[in-house]
Amino acid sequence: KQEVTQIPAALSVPEGENLVLNCSFTDSAIYNLQWFRQDPGKGLTSLLLIQSSQREQTSGRLNASLDKSSGRSTLYIAASQPGDSATYLCAVCPDRGSTLGRLYFGRGTQLTVWP
Amino acid sequence: DVKVTQSSRYLVKRTGEKVFLECVQDMDHENMFWYRQDPGLGLRLIYFSYDVKMKEKGDIPEGYSVSREKKERFSLILESASTNQTSMYLCASSLNWGPSGTEAFFGQGTRLTVV
Repeated sequence: KQEVTQIPAALSVPEGENLVLNCSFTDSAIYNLQWFRQDPGKGLTSLLLIQSSQREQTSGRLNASLDKSSGRSTLYIAASQPGDSATYLCAVCPDRGSTLGRLYFGRGTQLTVWP
Repeated sequence: DVKVTQSSRYLVKRTGEKVFLECVQDMDHENMFWYRQDPGLGLRLIYFSYDVKMKEKGDIPEGYSVSREKKERFSLILESASTNQTSMYLCASSLNWGPSGTEAFFGQGTRLTVV
């Protein structure tokens, strides 16, 4: 069974820092990997989707990379802002033939950016 | 934008009640999912569906059932609510094909309290 681990579990930084959030998964047979943001008491917002054939995706100040063979992904946040404070979740979709889109989630990294 | 709407943000139900959680998506997605999210346990898949009237058990289906009579609507049913079903419930949908197939979009969540 796929297991997803996120490190660190929590991170507190001053505004303006560049950040790296880490995600690792045990089974490299993935279809894609998705990064989400979750604000307290709310649903998940999709940030970036990386297909298994891709190495990275970028959206604004966010950049996600994928090393499928080593089972790792990183989310890079440039010039962090207090509005970035949230929990960031990594999820992998197993290889298409067995799954129909179900996701396996990490426990998340709780990020606090203080002014 | 994809819209996934859950019928309630907050619900309080009594032990033994039959509870219906409704989810509607407006993007003609084939796949729909129900997850629950608990502190320290992360997101866990309850049930999913890849077509009308089709359903598959996830990792924790006990005590739950689902219904998908129309493509856009996926209902989660707690047959006889118990206190250990107090949780945040999250609905998601995704396509089953295409360049960004299986990118998942989530609703805003339903916080269910069983007393």
